[in-house]
Formats: sequence, structure tokens, C-alpha cells
Amino acid sequence: KQEVTQIPAALSVPEGENLVLNCSFTDSAIYNLQWFRQDPGKGLTSLLLIQSSQREQTSGRLNASLDKSSGRSTLYIAASQPGDSATYLCAALSGGGADGLTFGKGTHLIIQP
Amino acid sequence: AAGVIQSPRHLIKEKRETATLKCYPIPRHDTVYWYQQGPGQDPQFLISFYEKMQSDKGSIPDRFSAQQFSDYHSELNMSSLELGDSALYFCASSTRRGSNQPQHFGDGTRLSIL
Repeated sequence: KQEVTQIPAALSVPEGENLVLNCSFTDSAIYNLQWFRQDPGKGLTSLLLIQSSQREQTSGRLNASLDKSSGRSTLYIAASQPGDSATYLCAALSGGGADGLTFGKGTHLIIQP
Repeated sequence: AAGVIQSPRHLIKEKRETATLKCYPIPRHDTVYWYQQGPGQDPQFLISFYEKMQSDKGSIPDRFSAQQFSDYHSELNMSSLELGDSALYFCASSTRRGSNQPQHFGDGTRLSIL
């Protein structure tokens, strides 16, 4: 059974810093991996999707990487802003026809003005 | 751009009552997924539908059922509600199940059981 772990659980940094959020998964036979942002009491906003054949994806100040062999993904946020404060979740879609994403418990990020 | 629409946004029920949650996917999305997120927890996959047929099943209790209609909207029916069913219920949609397309989530229905 796929398990997804995110480290750290919480992170607080000053505005302007570059930061890295980590995600690891136990079963490397994933189909893709998706990063989400969740604001308190709100839905999940899809940030980036990396296919199993890809190494990284970029969108604006966000860059996500994937290393299937080591079971790891990272989300890099450049030049952080207070508006980036949210919980970031990674989710793996396993192969074999499964539909459901397996989520990590998220990293709660606070960007201090 | 159009997003996934869920209704109602909030719902309060008592134990042993029934509830129906509705989900309207993004236009031209043919796959719908349901997730449950308990307080302080990560979302857990419940069930999914592709072209109006159930395609995958996760940790959905037997008291719950769901279906997808001809216009692709979906409903999650919950019966004999328990206190532990209090959670945020998300619907997501995507195109072409099995393709590498992201799942797009709605804002969720917050269900509170008294």
C-alpha cells in the first residue's frame, strides 16, 4: 500500500527566502505525482503534476522535481511571499489502474512579512 | 475558467439522518472522484466514476453510495450518519481517466453531524 510522507510538517521563513518542501513515497511504481496548495477551510488548488517519466515541472516561482528510484519529490518555491502561506500537499497516483490519489499530511508553510 | 462546483457548501445533520452531496465537474471532464478529509487529516479517496460507471473504490463505507449521471454530475449519498462522518468532502474531476491529467478539486462540502 502506498504511503506518502512530507517533511517538515511545518515551516516558517522570512519573506524573500527560497525554500524546499520534501515528499517521499514508499511505492516507486507511481503513475504521476501532484502538488497541491490548501488554504484554511478551502479546497485543494493543483499546482504542478509530474508524470512518472518526467524529472521536473516548473510554473512561475514553483519547481517540482521527481526521483522515482529514490521515492522522492521536492517542491522548490523561489522568492517566497506572504501570499504563499498555506498548507502544501503532495499526492501520488499509483499505477495499475488506480484512480485515487494517496496524500501526504502536508507541510504548513508560514511566510513572515 | 470554470471550476468544480460542489453543493451545498455546508451541511448540518443529526446522527442516523441521510445526506446527499452534489458535484458538478469542469465542462468536458468525464471522470469524477470523491474524497473525505477529516479534521487535521489528509484527504482519503472514497470512490470514482468514469463515463457514468464506477471505476475505482477506496475507503468508502457501505453506508455511502454514489453515482454519476448522464450530464456527468455526481452525487454522494450518505445514510445512517455517524459522528465520525463529520468531515470536509471533496469532489474532483479530470479528463480521460488513466491519462496524465491533473485532478481538479472543488471547494468541498463541510458536513457536521450533531
